Amino acid sequence: QSVLTQPPSVSAAPGQKVTVSCSGSSSNIGNNYVSWYQQLPGTAPKLLIYDNNKRPSGIPDRFSVSKSGTSATLGITGLQTGDEADYYCGTWDSSLSAYVFGTGTKVTVL
Amino acid sequence: QVQLQQSGPGLVKSSQTLSLTCAISGDSVSSNNAGWNWIRQSPSRGLEWLGRTYYRSKWYNDYAVSVKSRITINPDTSQNQFSLQLNSVTPEDTAVYYCAREGAAELGHWGQGTLVTVSS
Repeated sequence: QSVLTQPPSVSAAPGQKVTVSCSGSSSNIGNNYVSWYQQLPGTAPKLLIYDNNKRPSGIPDRFSVSKSGTSATLGITGLQTGDEADYYCGTWDSSLSAYVFGTGTKVTVL
Repeated sequence: QVQLQQSGPGLVKSSQTLSLTCAISGDSVSSNNAGWNWIRQSPSRGLEWLGRTYYRSKWYNDYAVSVKSRITINPDTSQNQFSLQLNSVTPEDTAVYYCAREGAAELGHWGQGTLVTVSS
């Protein structure tokens, strides 16, 4: 059972904005850096955002993150068909001494 | 540029040992700035972190509680790779297994994934 909760799916039209929430607790999101991963169909997850809101080289600034207390939110603006994927949040959990992932959210471009 | 290349069998019989290897290029398994992780993914369990090995003047390991009694992750400095061994597997261990490099707090580089099926 994942300790980080995400909505199963979100959708929007091309060019619009979507947000994906990730809810945790003080032992994970509340006191550790959050990362976000994008998983295109049939491929390995790819790092999208880390250290709460840093992007690896090549990731456009259409992707951003906000964090408040024990929750984090991924925002995708200017939605493109290529953004259709599963998105996961992840962070270290200090109580479990384990890395934990969210339940995953499927983003659909209508 | 860091690259991780996984190898190992895709089919294991129940009660036997699952063994996978992750070869590293562009970094060192002995790096003081990295951790080397194994993660698996299945429809029923989602993404599940299994454990890691890392070097900070000496070797350390962390393992998920769910597999702690059955798992071993070992570094191989001579081959610059690390391995996963999961003992006494059951069909519940059927999943796609990934290796990944951990930076400061993120999993920035992933292997290509290996589908491992446990047959009963």
